[in-house]
Amino acid sequence: GESVGLHLPTLSVQEGDNSIINCAYSNSASDYFIWYKQESGKGPQFIIDIRSNMDKRQGQRVTVLLNKTVKHLSLQIAATQPGDSAVYFCAENRNSGAGSYQLTFGKGTKLSVIP
Amino acid sequence: NAGVMQNPRHLVRRRGQEARLRCSPMKGHSHVYWYRQLPEEGLKFMVYLQKENIIDESGMPKERFSAEFPKEGPSILRIQQVVRGDSAAYFCASSPPSRSTDTQYFGPGTRLTVL
Repeated sequence: GESVGLHLPTLSVQEGDNSIINCAYSNSASDYFIWYKQESGKGPQFIIDIRSNMDKRQGQRVTVLLNKTVKHLSLQIAATQPGDSAVYFCAENRNSGAGSYQLTFGKGTKLSVIP
Repeated sequence: NAGVMQNPRHLVRRRGQEARLRCSPMKGHSHVYWYRQLPEEGLKFMVYLQKENIIDESGMPKERFSAEFPKEGPSILRIQQVVRGDSAAYFCASSPPSRSTDTQYFGPGTRLTVL
C-alpha cells in the first residue's frame, strides 16, 4: 500500500494568509522528501526538498518541516497568492532495493486561494 | 535550458491499438523515470532507465507495457493492445547522472485516452 499520505484532501485559504499542507509517511528508511506543485493539465513542478538529516528548510515563501519522530512532513506557504492554487504532493524518495530511487507520491492536497 | 520534453501531449487510441509515448530528458540528465497518474490520484512509479539499460521496472505491468532509452534519441514508453484502463496521464522525469537521490524534474505529460 501507500507509504505516503496526506491528512487533508482540500484546503481553502484567504489570499495573504499562510497555508500549511501536511503529509504523513510510513517508511522510516526514507531519506529524501520533496514537495511538488501540480497545476491543472501540467506536470509536477518541484517546490522544495529536504533530506532526513535536516528538520527544516526554507525557500522563497515556502518552508518544509520534517519530524522524523512522528514521520510527518509539512509545507508552509507564506502570504498565499492566487497563483499558489494547485494540487500539492509530497513525495518520498527511497531505495527500492534494485538500485533505483523511485518516488512514492501521496494522493495530494488541493489548495484553493480565495481572492 | 529546455526542461523535460514529452510528446505527444494528447493521444487518442482505440482499444487494441498501440500507444507510443516519447520523453526527452533535460540536457545533461541520463536517468529517466516514467510515472502514471489516474484522475484525482498521485503519481505511480512505473520504470526507471539509464541509457540502454532498464534499472527498475517493478511498477510496470508485466504484459503489454515496455520501455526503452536508447543510446541516441528519446526514451519510449510503449503500450500494446491498449485497453480503456490504460487511459491516464503519463509523466516522464529525469535526473542528472550523479546520485540517484537527486531531484527528479517532470515533463508536461502525455494524456492518453482509449476509446
